[in-house]
Amino acid sequence: KQEVTQIPAALSVPEGENLVLNCSFTDSAIYNLQWFRQDPGKGLTSLLLIQSSQREQTSGRLNASLDKSSGRSTLYIAASQPGDSATYLCAVRDNAGNMLTFGGGTRLMVKP
Amino acid sequence: GAGVSQTPSNKVTEKGKYVELRCDPISGHTALYWYRQSLGQGPEFLIYFQGTGAADDSGLPNDRFFAVRPEGSVSTLKIQRTERGDSAVYLCASSLIGLAGDEQYFGPGTRLTVT
Repeated sequence: KQEVTQIPAALSVPEGENLVLNCSFTDSAIYNLQWFRQDPGKGLTSLLLIQSSQREQTSGRLNASLDKSSGRSTLYIAASQPGDSATYLCAVRDNAGNMLTFGGGTRLMVKP
Repeated sequence: GAGVSQTPSNKVTEKGKYVELRCDPISGHTALYWYRQSLGQGPEFLIYFQGTGAADDSGLPNDRFFAVRPEGSVSTLKIQRTERGDSAVYLCASSLIGLAGDEQYFGPGTRLTVT
């Protein structure tokens, strides 16, 4: 059974810092990996989707990398802003099924 | 265009009662998914529909949980004899064709509180 872990569980940084969020998964037979953002009391907003054949994806200040063989992904946020404060969730889609398996999330606080 | 919508946004019910949660997927999306998110955790898969049929219901925790999608669009998640442990945010997602490379789009969720 696929298990997804995110480290750290919580992170507080001053505005302007570059930061890295980590995601690991136990079964490397994945179809793709997705990073989401969740604001308090809200649903999930997709940030980046990386197919298993890809190594990274970029959108603005966000860059996500994927190392399928080692079961790891990182989300890099450049020049963090208070508006980046949210919970960031990593999810993988296995080759075997259509559902997403999520990590527990990283709660990010960017202080002005 | 309109995204995935869920109603109600909040539901408070007493232990033992029956509840229904509704999901309206993005128009034209054939695949629909239900997930449950407990406080401080990531969402967990419940059930996946392809069209009108449940293609995978392996995530439903027990037989008190049931979901339908009779016309291949709107879906209803039904919970019988609710328990306090059912309290969570129930998220619905839809995707265009339900293949593995298909991106899922999430609704805002229904926060269920069982007292």
